[in-house]
Amino acid sequence: AQSVTQLGSHVSVSEGALVLLRCNYSSSVPPYLFWYVQYPNQGLQLLLKYTSAATLVKGINGFEAEFKKSETSFHLTKPSAHMSDAAEYFCAVSDRNMLTFGGGTRLMVKP
Amino acid sequence: SAVISQKPSRDICQRGTSLTIQCQVDSQVTMMFWYRQQPGQSLTLIATANQGSEATYESGFVIDKFPISRPNLTFSTLTVSNMSPEDSSIYLCSVGPRTDTQYFGPGTRLTVL
Repeated sequence: AQSVTQLGSHVSVSEGALVLLRCNYSSSVPPYLFWYVQYPNQGLQLLLKYTSAATLVKGINGFEAEFKKSETSFHLTKPSAHMSDAAEYFCAVSDRNMLTFGGGTRLMVKP
Repeated sequence: SAVISQKPSRDICQRGTSLTIQCQVDSQVTMMFWYRQQPGQSLTLIATANQGSEATYESGFVIDKFPISRPNLTFSTLTVSNMSPEDSSIYLCSVGPRTDTQYFGPGTRLTVL
């Protein structure tokens, strides 16, 4: 079964700074990789999805993620953080059976 | 993507009671799922709600504790039975393929005293 590790349960950045949220999956290449965002008191919203068509995936709200097979990583980035980006972010992978979610990273944006 | 609603959005319950959570989708879907998100933790799949048959439970979850109904292709309920404080969580329903993009409801925030 797949496993997902998100390094850093909390990440704090200043408004306008680069956002980097880390995600590593277990060794076998999954069919799909996802990033979801959960705003306070809301459910999960899909940010982006990797499907092997392109290693750099662009999502909503200016986020993108790069799939690196050699590093088994799928890190999420945004060039310039906005206050509205403050939320919890979940990386997820699929295998033949189900979606597996990482532990989540809470992003805090300082003014 | 489907529009999913859940009721109630939050509740505070007493130990030993049960709560039924409703999930409504604005279109017919084949697969519906129920997840638990314990405080500060990630999502764990409880079960798949199958229309016309019994739900399929993941390891560690049992029907007596989390009975599920799926009377049609747009609606499902999850009951949390004989609650204890350890059941305090966010419960989310989702729709979509089991191994592909799933769309989530807003969640039900349950506190058990």
